[in-house]
Amino acid sequence: EVQLVESGGGLVRPGGSLKLSCAASGFTFSDYWMGWVRQAPGKGLEWVANIKQDESVKFCVDSVKGRFTISRDNAQNSLYLQMNSLRLEDAAVYYCARVDYSGSWHYDYWGQGTLVTVSS
Amino acid sequence: DIQMTQSPSSLSASVGDRVTITCRASQSISSRLNWYQQKPGKAPKLLICAASTLQSGVPSRFSGSGSGTDFTLTISRLQPEDFATYYCHQSHSIPWTFGQGTKVEIK
Repeated sequence: EVQLVESGGGLVRPGGSLKLSCAASGFTFSDYWMGWVRQAPGKGLEWVANIKQDESVKFCVDSVKGRFTISRDNAQNSLYLQMNSLRLEDAAVYYCARVDYSGSWHYDYWGQGTLVTVSS
Repeated sequence: DIQMTQSPSSLSASVGDRVTITCRASQSISSRLNWYQQKPGKAPKLLICAASTLQSGVPSRFSGSGSGTDFTLTISRLQPEDFATYYCHQSHSIPWTFGQGTKVEIK
């Protein structure tokens, strides 16, 4: 059974940093692209970043460029999101998701999410 | 960036109704369109990929159609467990973008 379990969320002040982790199990982690999607309270879904199997390709949304870094450790079956210079508008539930392809790229499995609160 | 616009933003329907949700892309995305269902406090769940491919385990009352810029998600006979928010998602080009969501509520 595919499982994705996020951790590392919490309360942080504007300008602060936080590192999210996602522990994957139930599939061969190194075979898949992975990604992060966030959802601000009461709002819709926003794509954050994707990373290729070997970390050779990374994409992220413009609003987090230069502040957030996606990475992975295939030996540990783990995905990460290092978030620096956090802003009020970064407050959201952050979901880790597996990327698959079948006619289109899509997220086929999602974690339960971890809440990031940015407040002074 | 490709903008995804869903309509309606919300709808009220009864069990057994046929429900149609539309998603329009600001430029052609071929068939690189996915649909997700999200219930309150839960992670999104993939329903349909590539505009019309039903995911394993998803009831056949869900169907998707369209290509280019106009897409549709149809629920043929609404069931109590279908009351949720539905999102379309384009993976044609970076940045990937989602529609704003359509909330399906009980009438």
